[in-house]
Amino acid sequence: AQKITQTQPGMFVQEKEAVTLDCTYDTSDPSYGLFWYKQPSSGEMIFLIYQGSYDQQNATEGRYSLNFQKARKSANLVISASQLGDSAMYFCAMRDYDQTGANNLFFGTGTRLTVIP
Amino acid sequence: EADIYQTPRYLVIGTGKKITLECSQTMGHDKMYWYQQDPGMELHLIHYSYGVNSTEKGDLSSESTVSRIRTEHFPLTLESARPSHTSQYLCASSGLQVNTEAFFGQGTRLTVV
Repeated sequence: AQKITQTQPGMFVQEKEAVTLDCTYDTSDPSYGLFWYKQPSSGEMIFLIYQGSYDQQNATEGRYSLNFQKARKSANLVISASQLGDSAMYFCAMRDYDQTGANNLFFGTGTRLTVIP
Repeated sequence: EADIYQTPRYLVIGTGKKITLECSQTMGHDKMYWYQQDPGMELHLIHYSYGVNSTEKGDLSSESTVSRIRTEHFPLTLESARPSHTSQYLCASSGLQVNTEAFFGQGTRLTVV
């Protein structure tokens, strides 16, 4: 079963507007971590923000915030005041413990964000 | 800034050649990973390691092999490259706990002709 689901293959946003990128996850493990990464056209993966399963508050890092709804198993990324440099692929990822005890990082299929001037 | 390095960044090589993609990190991380990614697609885990002398296969079957003789070094080897191996290969490292993020190298774009 897919652990991470990103249902938006592509999104467009006007410069200076806010945008929400959706992510839902599937795990039965009470302890897990959720991550968002940005991948520009150059190919590197840039860590943006982290949310722990036991965190009471939504994570924020500058213009990035994570809308964590644990009961719905969703971890949407909100980018405020979009900039042209935000145009990139965005990946949601999760670490949890599987049956073997491994806690690897698994990724969704990504959302390509395009910021329009 | 992450201290994890991959070489080469780009590699074009003929079918049947043996290649090794290098990955080194200076953060002292125990956990290291190799992911394979086709352009614009998701990342697939092909290998990971918990530390020295530990190597495990990931979810995506791969003909590549890895080794972990030193904590900081996690090279990936293809004994006989084929066009189907053309892809981007991303190396990453992290702490062992679920609440630690992974840091990625810049990737190696491999083309087998």
